[in-house]
Amino acid sequence: DVKVTQSSRYLVKRTGEKVFLECVQDMDHENMFWYRQDPGLGLRLIYFSYDVKMKEKGDIPEGYSVSREKKERFSLILESASTNQTSMYLCASRPTGGFNEKLFFGSGTQLSVL
Amino acid sequence: SQQGEEDPQALSIQEGENATMNCSYKTSINNLQWYRQNSGRGLVHLILIRSNEREKHSGRLRVTLDTSKKSSSLLITASRAADTASYFCATAFFQGAQKLVFGQGTRLTINP
Repeated sequence: DVKVTQSSRYLVKRTGEKVFLECVQDMDHENMFWYRQDPGLGLRLIYFSYDVKMKEKGDIPEGYSVSREKKERFSLILESASTNQTSMYLCASRPTGGFNEKLFFGSGTQLSVL
Repeated sequence: SQQGEEDPQALSIQEGENATMNCSYKTSINNLQWYRQNSGRGLVHLILIRSNEREKHSGRLRVTLDTSKKSSSLLITASRAADTASYFCATAFFQGAQKLVFGQGTRLTINP
């Protein structure tokens, strides 16, 4: 089975800190995604990457950046954390982005910015 | 917006009953997927139905798709306490690559 691992289950940071959320997948998937999930808003796409060193903005990229130096690892960076970035962050991957592919999700990181 | 809308937002039933959740969307899709999320965890893929399919089964799950009405339903038969979770529909459309847009989810509670 595909395993998508997020480095932290819970994270507490202070306003203004630089925050790194790490995600690793073990099935050589080309595509990787970062979503945030907030009550009543569902999942919203922050950034995605089709391949190494490639990235594209999703629906809510403001305040975030990403890095994909290796195929298996996709990092989400909060340059200067703010309280409105308190949320559940979900990483996902899929093989190639072709038709009828499903997403494989990590367990999520609950980030609290104080 | 392409985003799917789910109905109801919350559903509470007795163990053994059937649970039905609905999803509506606005534009053409390639496929529609259903995911489950246990409390505070990641999403797990349940079933995918293609745009040219009308019904699909997987164990106790039955999914229907009506592209003329732009709607889908997920039926869980003979519910169990372990089915308590949030269920999300995700619509897939092609825009350079397959893109998925998630609904807001239905919170299902199965009472023993």
